Amino acid sequence: ETGVTQTPRHLVMGMTNKKSLKCEQHLGHNAMYWYKQSAKKPLELMFVYSLEERVENNSVPSRFSPECPNSSHLFLHLHTLQPEDSALYLCASSQDRGSWSPLHFGNGTRLTVT
Amino acid sequence: AQSVTQLDSQVPVFEEAPVELRCNYSSSVSVYLFWYVQYPNQGLQLLLKYLSGSTLVESINGFEAEFNKSQTSFHLRKPSVHISDTAEYFCAASGAGSYQLTFGKGTKLSVIP
Repeated sequence: ETGVTQTPRHLVMGMTNKKSLKCEQHLGHNAMYWYKQSAKKPLELMFVYSLEERVENNSVPSRFSPECPNSSHLFLHLHTLQPEDSALYLCASSQDRGSWSPLHFGNGTRLTVT
Repeated sequence: AQSVTQLDSQVPVFEEAPVELRCNYSSSVSVYLFWYVQYPNQGLQLLLKYLSGSTLVESINGFEAEFNKSQTSFHLRKPSVHISDTAEYFCAASGAGSYQLTFGKGTKLSVIP
């Protein structure tokens, strides 16, 4: 399998649940990202990992917890979410974390918080 | 940090007609510019990029964009659109030395048969 793979594609969870989103890249890239895509808003960068080290946390609430066990895998652990957290969560990777390095996106996880 | 403005949220156009999707960015000494496309139920895919050199960049499926420094614009054009071009298009920019990529809000292109 090639590219960036995200699972699950769809997730419905209650506000008291704990769930995790998974991302895997098969491109040999060194940087991985979590983005949040909400309707009528620009993509919001949540977290950046470079060589498994977190290098960016854009003031994301602590109910979102990322984990990067190796350069190919990225997780987003979710707990006690709010309805406004419903969105499409996109994982991406790039060769390096430099601004010239294009992003390769997965197809996203559509999250609905009830 | 960069800011990116996509002037049109929706653009309907008839099949085989030309289209221009507009994008303006905040000024920077050096800037990298990108267009991404998102088809329904998919993630974003890189369409084309400007890093340096020729101000006119092209994609493999007939789109082109021109970097205009004086107008701080990076508009996307295609001379003749196809039904399969129906998608949402995102302009993105980053400053040299930064790894923060700033996206616009997107433009939904609808191609009408």
